[in-house]
Amino acid sequence: AQTVTQSQPEMSVQEAETVTLSCTYDTSESDYYLFWYKQPPSRQMILVIRQEAYKQQNATENRFSVNFQKAAKSFSLKISDSQLGDAAMYFCAYKYIFGTGTRLKVLA
Amino acid sequence: EAGVAQSPRYKIIEKRQSVAFWCNPISGHATLYWYQQILGQGPKLLIQFQNNGVVDDSQLPKDRFSAERLKGVDSTLKIQPAKLEDSAVYLCASSLLFSYNEQFFGPGTRLTVL
Repeated sequence: AQTVTQSQPEMSVQEAETVTLSCTYDTSESDYYLFWYKQPPSRQMILVIRQEAYKQQNATENRFSVNFQKAAKSFSLKISDSQLGDAAMYFCAYKYIFGTGTRLKVLA
Repeated sequence: EAGVAQSPRYKIIEKRQSVAFWCNPISGHATLYWYQQILGQGPKLLIQFQNNGVVDDSQLPKDRFSAERLKGVDSTLKIQPAKLEDSAVYLCASSLLFSYNEQFFGPGTRLTVL
């Protein structure tokens, strides 16, 4: 069965610090994409970053980067230089299967 | 570029009543998804359309939920009759054709069943 697991219901980070959100998944496919989506309070869900399983290089988008470990089926999101606007629910996703989310709090 | 539109934004109904939600995806997006997001959980796929055909409706409670996508564009999701456990946010998303394409989400409809 295809599954996505996020084991951190909530994380906190000081403004300007770095935080890593964890995600593991399970699939029997060899080529696929993984996604991190952000859902701010009362706002629409938006894509943060996407990783293709065939690519060795970890994806990076400005302050957001991933640590993709294909053999371990791990896909973590690193947020550097955290900002107040990063406070949101973060969901890891494989196709249309979403994890339970991690609520990120950013402390001023 | 206009985003995914959903209406209504909020709906309160009594149990056993019926309700319908509407979604207008981004122009040109072949794939449309309906998700149910219960408070504190991740979105759960209810149904996926590709153009006007159903790709996956394995998690749609077909005894009470139905959905259609008119002419491969707009879509409606209906619940009849509603139960208390249907209280959730119903999200519509659209994407280009493939599973590696980014999904664009609408604002959602918050349903409360009393």
